[in-house]
Amino acid sequence: HSALTQPASVSGSPGQSITMSCTGTSSDIGSSYFLSWYQRHPGKVPKLLIYEGTKRPSGVSNRFSGSKSGNTASLTISGLQAEDEAYYYCCSYAADSTLVFGGGTNLAVL
Amino acid sequence: QPQLQESGPGLVKPSETLSLTCTVSGASTSSSSFYWAWIRQPPGKGLEWIAYISSSGNTYYNPSLKSRVTISVDTSKNQFSLRLRSVTAPDTAVYSCARLRYGSGCFDYWGQGTLVTVPS
Repeated sequence: HSALTQPASVSGSPGQSITMSCTGTSSDIGSSYFLSWYQRHPGKVPKLLIYEGTKRPSGVSNRFSGSKSGNTASLTISGLQAEDEAYYYCCSYAADSTLVFGGGTNLAVL
Repeated sequence: QPQLQESGPGLVKPSETLSLTCTVSGASTSSSSFYWAWIRQPPGKGLEWIAYISSSGNTYYNPSLKSRVTISVDTSKNQFSLRLRSVTAPDTAVYSCARLRYGSGCFDYWGQGTLVTVPS
C-alpha cells in the first residue's frame, strides 16, 4: 500500500499550461475508475478538482482537466494563474477498496 | 451545504489513545450515498488516508494503520469517530474528517482539520 508517486514540484508562468503526473500500479490507478485530484492552499481545506478521473465538480474551472493512461493519471492546468499556486494531491481507490494518496506536488507560478 | 467539524484533544501522550469525533451538519451520516472518512497530514508531509465507514457500519482501513485504528459512526448524533491506539510521535498530524462520495470515490467535503501532537 505505497503512496502514489507525484513530482515534488512543478512550475509554470502565468498563461502557460502545465501537466503533473501521478503514478501508481496495476492494483490502484491501473485498475481504478475512481481517481480524484485535490488542490490545497496552505492552511485551507482541500478542494476537489477532478473525480472519476476526468469529471469536474460544479464550480471548478474548466482550466483543470484530468486524464489517465495505464498506471499514470495526469492533471493539466491551462491558462495558469497566480491563484493556482498550491499543493495538488491525487487519490485512487485500490483493488481492495482501500484508498491511497499521492505525496503531493507543489505548483509554483513564476 | 454539508459541514464537518473535528473535535478532540490536541495533545496525546505517547502510548495512549487518540480519540477524535467529527460532527456533521447539513448532511446525514445515515445516507447510503456517502461514506465518512478520516485523513491525516503530518507536518511537512502529504495526505494519508486512515479509514472510512459506511452508514451501515462497514469499515475500511489503511493497511499500515489497521492494527491500531477503529472508526465508528453514530447516526443518532450524526457523528463519526476515530480511535488510534498506542500513538507515538510520528502520529503527530493534522487530522481531518471528510465525506467520501459513494460511486465516485472522491472526498467532496472536508472538515477544517485539527492538529494532534504526540510529544516525543
